Amino acid sequence: NAGVTQTPKFQVLKTGQSMTLQCAQDMNHNSMYWYRQDPGMGLRLIYYSASEGTTDKGEVPNGYNVSRLNKREFSLRLESAAPSQTSVYFCASSDAGTTIYEQYFGPGTRLTVT
Amino acid sequence: RKEVEQDPGPFNVPEGATVAFNCTYSNSASQSFFWYRQDCRKEPKLLMSVYSSGNEDGRFTAQLNRASQYISLLIRDSKLSDSATYLCVVRNQGGKLIFGQGTELSVKP
Repeated sequence: NAGVTQTPKFQVLKTGQSMTLQCAQDMNHNSMYWYRQDPGMGLRLIYYSASEGTTDKGEVPNGYNVSRLNKREFSLRLESAAPSQTSVYFCASSDAGTTIYEQYFGPGTRLTVT
Repeated sequence: RKEVEQDPGPFNVPEGATVAFNCTYSNSASQSFFWYRQDCRKEPKLLMSVYSSGNEDGRFTAQLNRASQYISLLIRDSKLSDSATYLCVVRNQGGKLIFGQGTELSVKP
């Protein structure tokens, strides 16, 4: 099993450009999440999808959109990138049916917006 | 005030030392508690859950004090391979995980 995979690993964008970050999991998990991690801020939840067909805003959703394409895939779109969106983006998944609620993370996408 | 707060460190300790990390959380209705580990430029991974009675996994001991809203992680006999950032994580009533900013540990020979 690959676990959680993310593409691309690195990306440089100019202000105003758009891009989509892709995430896929092969663990048959119901829930998927997008976080951003900035120095001194910890991981902050951008959007999440509790199950296929549903998406909800997290702590910092402004400037982002998401699509839960199917049970495996959850994408994050930046419509008009801004320098404040320079960050490391992590996708995660969990099986909300367990009592532990462990989240499994992908390797991250390092995004720089100039 | 941040919902989960940790001392950012860094903690620099020699091999074999015992080191303790502390964490406080502000939401008294928080339901579950965890420590995650994050190696440099890698993704976070679950280290251990934290139970009310305290729990141990080898050299690692986690404690929870609900009355004080305080969580701790003790690492005994530190190894070079323990060098990482340790994230205190709390699950809130809505089921979402709230991450502390992490405490960096560097174990030196």
